[in-house]
Amino acid sequence: DTGVSQDPRHKITKRGQNVTFRCDPISEHNRLYWYRQTLGQGPEFLTYFQNEAQLEKSRLLSDRFSAERPKGSFSTLEIQRTEQGDSAMYLCASSSESWNQPQHFGDGTRLSIL
Amino acid sequence: GEDVEQSLFLSVREGDSSVINCTYTDSSSTYLYWYKQEPGAGLQLLTYIFSNMDMKQDQRLTVLLNKKDKHLSLRIADTQTGDSAIYFCAEKDDKIIFGKGTRLHILP
Repeated sequence: DTGVSQDPRHKITKRGQNVTFRCDPISEHNRLYWYRQTLGQGPEFLTYFQNEAQLEKSRLLSDRFSAERPKGSFSTLEIQRTEQGDSAMYLCASSSESWNQPQHFGDGTRLSIL
Repeated sequence: GEDVEQSLFLSVREGDSSVINCTYTDSSSTYLYWYKQEPGAGLQLLTYIFSNMDMKQDQRLTVLLNKKDKHLSLRIADTQTGDSAIYFCAEKDDKIIFGKGTRLHILP
């Protein structure tokens, strides 16, 4: 079991730049979730996919954010024109479709905006 | 709206039991979870309990659920230095809502 993997682990960029993160879920999981975690807070839900379909997006996901899961396996989260407030840990989780199965998290990508 | 509340800090002596408490608001939650987060890492699922249960035990971990009071607790027996982390309570109906986490500090 390779678990959920995220890349990169850390990203430092200047304000206004675009960034893209990648998540590879556990291979047999068809649900994939993105969360954002800021210092001293719990993770906040951003969006989730079932296979390649994006089924829900949070109000937190502004127009500058876009997520894709083109083949129903790995997913990318892109942030355009980054702002200081985007600095956070971005966590990915996956689960099977069964309603009683928990989500398993990756180690996250920490984004720092200079 | 949905909300999960936890105390922010807990200090416990090594070898004692730790009890981390949580309250939630959504009575339709189907599952309640405890996750552990170590510095710089993602969330590790510790245990979860279905809403029609009132207790679950797994080795050193005991989860108690009082559905009437919407109160969930996690007891860690014989607390070790490796238990030092942030513990998140979370409720799930259609999506997971996390608390802000309780930082567990182990005293020698």
